[in-house]
Amino acid sequence: TQLLEQSPQFLSIQEGENLTVYCNSSSVFSSLQWYRQEPGEGPVLLVTVVTGGEVKKLKRLTFQFGDARKDSSLHITAAQPGDTGLYLCAGAVLPSGNQFYFGTGTSLTVIP
Amino acid sequence: KAGVTQTPRYLIKTRGQQVTLSCSPISGHRSVSWYQQTPGQGLQFLFEYFSETQRNKGNFPGRFSGRQFSNSRSEMNVSTLELGDSALYLCASSPFRRVDNEQFFGPGTRLTVL
Repeated sequence: TQLLEQSPQFLSIQEGENLTVYCNSSSVFSSLQWYRQEPGEGPVLLVTVVTGGEVKKLKRLTFQFGDARKDSSLHITAAQPGDTGLYLCAGAVLPSGNQFYFGTGTSLTVIP
Repeated sequence: KAGVTQTPRYLIKTRGQQVTLSCSPISGHRSVSWYQQTPGQGLQFLFEYFSETQRNKGNFPGRFSGRQFSNSRSEMNVSTLELGDSALYLCASSPFRRVDNEQFFGPGTRLTVL
């Protein structure tokens, strides 16, 4: 049973298009992280959000944590081929410290 | 600073055997977590060690165990291997145990059970 569901599971878009990836749960998280993983590598942290309603921007990437801290979204503007990868959300539940529940993943392909 | 290193990178075993995987965290990091990644189940938490003590454990059978040494290096062991244990095993290190912690992942060990 997955605590965090991501949608869509697969996404193939043309360079320059915008996209949004969703991460949903019925559980409340004390923090939520987004990672990107490339083949043969471990996930790399993109952002951590901890406050309900929080919005963080990282260049062309915008991350939002839901008001109730149960969901999050990742929006990419003007996608580039370098954005290709597996995007994972991960939620932490107090008082578990570094125990993170990972989402099902969204595989993004940006076509030049 | 060197990143998280995992050895070996690839491993092939047969059913019934046991295996030990190693993880060296970033220097100064005291928390090491282990995850199993499979196409069907995604990334699933195995356990976390901090200061040589297991702090959290995921929902895996007792065949999966681990330990952490005084230099924060960690090992995980899987006994009586099953075909379903084939997966990428990832180790992540963190300096602390806070919910806004950044976890730094290693490249993983790809285990294939035949």
